[in-house]
This record gives sequence, C-alpha cells and structure tokens, in this order.
Amino acid sequence: KQEVTQIPAALSVPEGENLVLNCSFTDSAIYNLQWFRQDPGKGLTSLLLIQSSQREQTSGRLNASLDKSSGRSTLYIAASQPGDSATYLCAVHFSGGYNKLIFGAGTRLAVHP
Amino acid sequence: EPEVTQTPSHQVTQMGQEVILRCVPISNHLYFYWYRQILGQKVEFLVSFYNNEISEKSEIFDDQFSVERPDGSNFTLKIRSTKLEDSAMYFCASSDLYETPYNEQFFGPGTRLTVL
Repeated sequence: KQEVTQIPAALSVPEGENLVLNCSFTDSAIYNLQWFRQDPGKGLTSLLLIQSSQREQTSGRLNASLDKSSGRSTLYIAASQPGDSATYLCAVHFSGGYNKLIFGAGTRLAVHP
Repeated sequence: EPEVTQTPSHQVTQMGQEVILRCVPISNHLYFYWYRQILGQKVEFLVSFYNNEISEKSEIFDDQFSVERPDGSNFTLKIRSTKLEDSAMYFCASSDLYETPYNEQFFGPGTRLTVL
C-alpha cells in the first residue's frame, strides 16, 4: 500500500532556528513530491514541487530534498519566524496513480518569539 | 496571481439532502481534482477529471458523488444524499495544460461541509 509518513507530528522551536521536517514514502517509484503549508481552517498553499529526476528545490528560506531510493524527503526551513507557524504537508504522486496525490498527516510547527 | 476559488466557504445541510460544491479552477488548467479532509485526519483524494471525464476515483467516491464541468469555468462536486460522515473540508485543485499531468497541483481555500 502506498503511504506517506511525516515525522515529527508536532514541533515547537524558538524564532531564528533552522529546522528540518521529514517525509517518508513507501514506494520509490514516484513522479513528484509536493510540500504544502496549511494554516488552521484554511486551504493548502503549494511551497515546492520536486520532480522524480531532481534532488532538491529551493524557494527563499525553504529547501526541499528528495532521495527516491531511500523513500525520503526533507523540508529545511532556515531562520524560522513566527509567521512560519502552520502545518506542513508532504504529498506524493506515485507512479501508477494516474494523477492523485497521497498526503502525509503533516507536521504542526509552532515558532515562538 | 491566478488562484483556485471555491464557493461556498461553509455549507450546512441536513442529512439526506443534496449539496453542490463549486470550484473555479485556474483558467488555463486542464486537470481538476477534488480532495477532502475530515477534521483531524489526512487530506484524501476523491476524484480527478480531464477532458470532460473522470480519469481516476478513489473508493470513497461512490455512487453518491458526481462531478461535472457545466461550462468553461466551473467544476462542481455533487453529493446526492449527504451522510453525517460526509462532514469535512472539501478542496478543489487544478494543474496545468501540459500533456503530462505530473505537474504542480494548486488548491482552493476549501468548502467546509457540515451535515447535521
């Protein structure tokens, strides 16, 4: 069964820290992987997409890496700010699933001043 | 910046009633999706739609659900006879016009459906 797991489930850090969110997936045959941000009661904001042929993608203070062979992706957030507080979701488009995303349960991040 | 929009933001209905959730995907996108998120649970795929037909659906998407693109801009999800367990946030998404569907999906703000 194709599954996506995110660790940790919750994280609380002081402002300014660099942090890493982890995502693992059960099948290395993927087309792409997306990281999303979700604020409470709100929609999903796409942060980064990594195609299966790529190793990493960067956007501002965010860097996402992909290691298909080990079934892992990490989202690195540099110099965290209180405004980064949200739930971060990892979603995988597995090969064979025509165009659906399988989501992890998310990491709930709190950055305190 | 183009975005996916959804209406209404919140829908309250009685069990057994029909509801229609509406979405306006990004204008040049050709692939459309519905997902749902029950409170406290993962986001789950419901259905994908391309070229005026369903391309894939999950086991959740049973005969009570249907999708339609009634015109050039709207994409709808209909639930014929709502159940209590249909209460969830429903997200519409779209992705772009390239032949491969393996591109970035953009999500709307969601419709919170409450079934009483």
